[in-house]
Amino acid sequence: SQQGEEDPQALSIQEGENATMNCSYKTSINNLQWYRQNSGRGLVHLILIRSNEREKHSGRLRVTLDTSKKSSSLLITASRAADTASYFCATDSNYQLIWGAGTKLIIKP
Amino acid sequence: EAGVVQSPRYKIIEKKQPVAFWCNPISGHNTLYWYRQNLGQGPELLIRYENEEAVDDSQLPKDRFSAERLKGVDSTLKIQPAELGDSAVYLCASSSRWQGVQETQYFGPGTRLLVL
Repeated sequence: SQQGEEDPQALSIQEGENATMNCSYKTSINNLQWYRQNSGRGLVHLILIRSNEREKHSGRLRVTLDTSKKSSSLLITASRAADTASYFCATDSNYQLIWGAGTKLIIKP
Repeated sequence: EAGVVQSPRYKIIEKKQPVAFWCNPISGHNTLYWYRQNLGQGPELLIRYENEEAVDDSQLPKDRFSAERLKGVDSTLKIQPAELGDSAVYLCASSSRWQGVQETQYFGPGTRLLVL
């Protein structure tokens, strides 16, 4: 079963613009993680935010977590062609990591 | 540091044939996961190991799927017999010691299975 639901399902922006993806979940969590998957490649961990944290940064990535709304957002600033990938949120709940269906991000040159 | 290694990368078989996938996790990682990922979907957990013990196999279709992790290191996932619906990417991941919460998982490149 999938708990996380990413929004939008697909996003196409110009290189240099910011990209924002959202993730909603249903049950209480210990942490929420964002992963990236390039075409034909494995999943790569981007950032983990714990339930008692509200915001976290890593390079051009900014993740927020609102546990009252059961939602998270991933912001990629100054997008690059190499950011083209699918982005997944995964929530740690009941000792399982539950994955959403992902947001497909396309960066146009 | 070497990442998670999986083989083969691609496999094409006819339905009703057996198939096996192999995974070598990151050295020192006690927790190992097998996932199945269908096109356009997120990964779905099949089985999780803590050392050599399968602690979560509730999503593993046990009539045709089996897995083992001998000596708590390498792991194999087997399907026998394969069905058309098993076509997917099979991902292996590992993480450091389980502490009651899911920490960062490191994924291998996956095995893309096509059942004809």
